[in-house]
Amino acid sequence: AQSVTQLDSQVPVFEEAPVELRCNYSSSVSVYLFWYVQYPNQGLQLLLKYLSGSTLVKGINGFEAEFNKSQTSFHLRKPSVHISDTAEYFCAVLFSKTSYDKVIFGPGTSLSVIP
Amino acid sequence: DGGITQSPKYLFRKEGQNVTLSCEQNLNHDAMYWYRQDPGQGLRLIYYSQIVNDFQKGDIAEGYSVSREKKESFPLTVTSAQKNPTAFYLCASRPGSSSYNEQFFGPGTRLTVL
Repeated sequence: AQSVTQLDSQVPVFEEAPVELRCNYSSSVSVYLFWYVQYPNQGLQLLLKYLSGSTLVKGINGFEAEFNKSQTSFHLRKPSVHISDTAEYFCAVLFSKTSYDKVIFGPGTSLSVIP
Repeated sequence: DGGITQSPKYLFRKEGQNVTLSCEQNLNHDAMYWYRQDPGQGLRLIYYSQIVNDFQKGDIAEGYSVSREKKESFPLTVTSAQKNPTAFYLCASRPGSSSYNEQFFGPGTRLTVL
């Protein structure tokens, strides 16, 4: 079965410290990978995406993610977080070769940046 | 500016009433989606539509209905058959030209059943 896992539901981190938000998926088909950010009571905004090519992807707001096919992971990282990074982060996986290109979202990770 | 609008932002409903959530996009996107968001559960797909006058059920379609009479509009009706409708509802759209385009989201509607 196809699924997306975000093992950490909440991640507290001090301002200017590095952070990694983990995302793993299970699939036997090709995948496209996305990270979205959601600020309170707002919609989701795309941070970055992996479609093909280099496994290290850079996105907005200083975030980056690395696709690891052997470990079926797509972890999100930032070397130095800011207060404004406090938000909910969702990993999303598009499983190709399905009937309608179904996107499955992980349960989300709440990042809290502590001043 | 191009984007997706959802209205209203907050909606209150009495038990037993149907209510319709609006979603409009001016991005000229072919595909549109409705998701339900509950705390700790991520986003769950309710309905989606890839072209006008066609739509398919998602994972949790029971108690919901949609229509797609125009490319830019995809309203969602929460019926009285939905047992637990209190949630945050998100509408999204995606260009249909390529299967791996990301989705663009609206600001959401928070529905509360009193």
